[in-house]
Amino acid sequence: GQQLNQSPQSMFIQEGEDVSMNCTSSSIFNTWLWYKQDPGEGPVLLIALYKAGELTSNGRLTAQFGITRKDSFLNISASIPSDVGIYFCAGRPGTNNDMRFGAGTRLTVKP
Amino acid sequence: NAGVTQTPKFQVLKTGQSMTLQCAQDMNHEYMSWYRQDPGMGLRLIHYSVGAGITDQGEVPNGYNVSRSTTEDFPLRLLSAAPSQTSVYFCASSYSVGVGYTFGSGTRLTVV
Repeated sequence: GQQLNQSPQSMFIQEGEDVSMNCTSSSIFNTWLWYKQDPGEGPVLLIALYKAGELTSNGRLTAQFGITRKDSFLNISASIPSDVGIYFCAGRPGTNNDMRFGAGTRLTVKP
Repeated sequence: NAGVTQTPKFQVLKTGQSMTLQCAQDMNHEYMSWYRQDPGMGLRLIHYSVGAGITDQGEVPNGYNVSRSTTEDFPLRLLSAAPSQTSVYFCASSYSVGVGYTFGSGTRLTVV
């Protein structure tokens, strides 16, 4: 099946630093989504991308749908302690609702 | 509160036992899915449904059954639990194809 490779696996940063993570696929995706998961909770949608080249922001978060439709990145600017969590990319390879997830990036922010 | 409700939150089963994980949403969403989450592997799709009476398999369907008799409910059945099914299970729903899912808070299942 379609595999998503998400990197890095984990990041340890200082409060105030910017963060960048990305996701690549072996095949074309029609939709890219970015989620954040806090401990003991389900993932929460951060940003949704629907067109190649699309760049979308949500507060300090910015995500882009790659031109090749095989990748996406998420940037977090000026990180704060509550940014701690696991960030997942997800993609929809077809026209149905079969959404596939990356393995996640675990973010730690040191005050 | 509107959203996706999963029960139970925790469950311990013995190998070979059966059980049903419940999922209900009150947002009138057509699309619902079940995922399992294992350490270092992200979320893997088990089964999904595009509407009442319609279900399909995801990446890892073996050992699980689903049905969708109403728009609101999408239960996941384990017919004969195995230790390999120890995981955290998430149910999710969305109102349209390709729109981001709303997730429940998960069921943590341990099979001994």
